[in-house]
This record gives sequence, structure tokens and C-alpha cells, in this order.
Amino acid sequence: DAGVIQSPRHEVTEMGQEVTLRCKPISGHNSLFWYRQTMMRGLELLIYFNNNVPIDDSGMPEDRFSAKMPNASFSTLKIQPSEPRDSAVYFCASRPGQGLAGDNEQFFGPGTRLTVL
Amino acid sequence: AQTVTQSQPEMSVQEAETVTLSCTYDTSENNYYLFWYKQPPSRQMILVIRQEAYKQQNATENRFSVNFQKAAKSFSLKISDSQLGDTAMYFCAFMGIQGAQKLVFGQGTRLTINP
Repeated sequence: DAGVIQSPRHEVTEMGQEVTLRCKPISGHNSLFWYRQTMMRGLELLIYFNNNVPIDDSGMPEDRFSAKMPNASFSTLKIQPSEPRDSAVYFCASRPGQGLAGDNEQFFGPGTRLTVL
Repeated sequence: AQTVTQSQPEMSVQEAETVTLSCTYDTSENNYYLFWYKQPPSRQMILVIRQEAYKQQNATENRFSVNFQKAAKSFSLKISDSQLGDTAMYFCAFMGIQGAQKLVFGQGTRLTINP
């Protein structure tokens, strides 16, 4: 298995532009998590999906952020409009369903480094 | 809400030495998981070791072991015979059994292994 795949790996954009980050979870995993890593706040959960349904989006900072999971193999995190304070590394992670082997472990993608100028 | 605290922002040791990274957490749950993740300069989050709270025996993975003190809510990581490749950020993380089962991370400890 290729692991969790994220694209792009790096994104540089200008303030006000729309940014879309993409994630492909490990096949067969039914939980997907989006995390953000910054120097100031460390690693924090933005949103969590279970079976493609958003379960907990309390970490989404504001309405400029939205996330979707149209099917079991794809999720997007969109920022519109982007601001310099959104600059961070965004990680996607997936986890097997409960009761399955490894269900207590989250597998992380390589992250997307976003820079908003 | 759960919190995780790593009180050592940076540590530095010589190659082959043993080093212990500290982590404390706060929760009202009785059963949960604790993890140590390694993040090298490549940014990849790599699971180092995990501990299930209902297991009294401390987890070990080759050179990595933990000292889990449930009553004290302490979960330290010991790296024996440290290697240059162990240089990285290390994050302690908590995951509850109930609810969203999200990972709650500490602020991290930057570990440098010197030759």
C-alpha cells in the first residue's frame, strides 16, 4: 500500500486566493482526519470523518475553511479566501475501522506545506 | 478536555547515550491510548510506540521503551543507545476510547543526537 497520499506537497499562494488540499486515505480505512501544524499552536485537529461523514469539525478555525469527503478514497480541505495566518503544514491521517487490526493507530500522510503571502 | 504537556522543548545527548523524554497528560477517562510520534526533518509523522492504558506492562519497541505511570498520568519515552537518526521532534499524544478518538498532541521535544 502506498500509504496516505497528499497533494500538493508544497503550495505557495497569495492572500485572497482559494487553496485546495487533497488527501487519499489508505484503502479500507474508514476514518480520516485533517490536522494543522504551526509553531504557535502545534498539531491540532481540524476535522474528522467517519465513513465519509463529518463527525467533529470543532477544530475548523472559521468559515473560510471547509472540508469534504465525497467518497471513501478522497477528501479535500479548502481555504477560501486564504490569509497569511493560514500558513502551516496540513496533515491528513487515516485509521482502520474499529475492531480491525491497527484500529488505534492513525497513519499520517507526508503533509502539505502551505505558504500564504 | 484532554491536555498533553511536554515540559522539555529541546534536549541534546551524545550518540550511544540513553535519553528520556517526559510527557504528562490530563484526562478523566479510565481507558485510552498513548503514543509517541517522531517527526524528522522530512516532516513525516512516524509512530514510535503506543501504550494501552489498561495494560500495566510498559510497551517496548527495540531501543524505545516507555515508563507509563497511570496514577501520575505520566508517559515518558526512553531511547537507549541513541543514534544519529534519532534526531527529530518527538510528540507525545493521547487518544481517548470514546467520542471522536482524535489525537491530542503535546507541544513536542526537539531531540538532537550529537556524534
